[in-house]
Amino acid sequence: EAGVVQSPRYKIIEKKQPVAFWCNPISGHNTLYWYRQNLGQGPELLIRYENEEAVDDSQLPKDRFSAERLKGVDSTLKIQPAELGDSAVYLCASSSGARNIQYFGAGTRLSVL
Amino acid sequence: GENVEQHPSTLSVQEGDSAVIKCTYSDSASNYFPWYKQELGKGPQLIIDIRSNVGEKKDQRIAVTLNKTAKHFSLHITETQPEDSAVYFCAASIRNNDMRFGAGTRLTVKP
Repeated sequence: EAGVVQSPRYKIIEKKQPVAFWCNPISGHNTLYWYRQNLGQGPELLIRYENEEAVDDSQLPKDRFSAERLKGVDSTLKIQPAELGDSAVYLCASSSGARNIQYFGAGTRLSVL
Repeated sequence: GENVEQHPSTLSVQEGDSAVIKCTYSDSASNYFPWYKQELGKGPQLIIDIRSNVGEKKDQRIAVTLNKTAKHFSLHITETQPEDSAVYFCAASIRNNDMRFGAGTRLTVKP
């Protein structure tokens, strides 16, 4: 069974440019999460989806960040415009079932110059 | 909201020794406490978890203990091996939704 797939693995952009990250969760997982992990820190939740509905986006900086999960499967996280402080690893996770264990992808490492 | 503190930030042990990582949490409503291992260039991987109705759980060389009264939980790794070297994160959540992570512990196992 394939795990959570994220792309790209690395992205280098200049500040003020837009950037997008893509996530394909484990098949059948109805819950999808986006996290941001700053260097030397634990992941911090940005947004959580139940199927196609964003049920917790309280930590998402809505002035520049947006996300979508069309058809309740894969998801895209966008930043526009990017700032220097957005440099981090962006992780996607998915879960399902009563136990609801979160499985993480390898992440996208973003560097904003 | 929930706040999770993790200690130590770095830990170095000799192969074969035990390693202990400790975490505290602030929200008494938290009822799910997973531990993740993150290797370089990879996402966190669940290694063991415990729910609030259990005080201790063991899986081969790994064990987790939970003290709900004191609001702290610990990861114990026995007979450490070089492949145990990684960053370990504790987390706490209510119903595994709003999960808050500790800052991580970098474990180094010296051969």
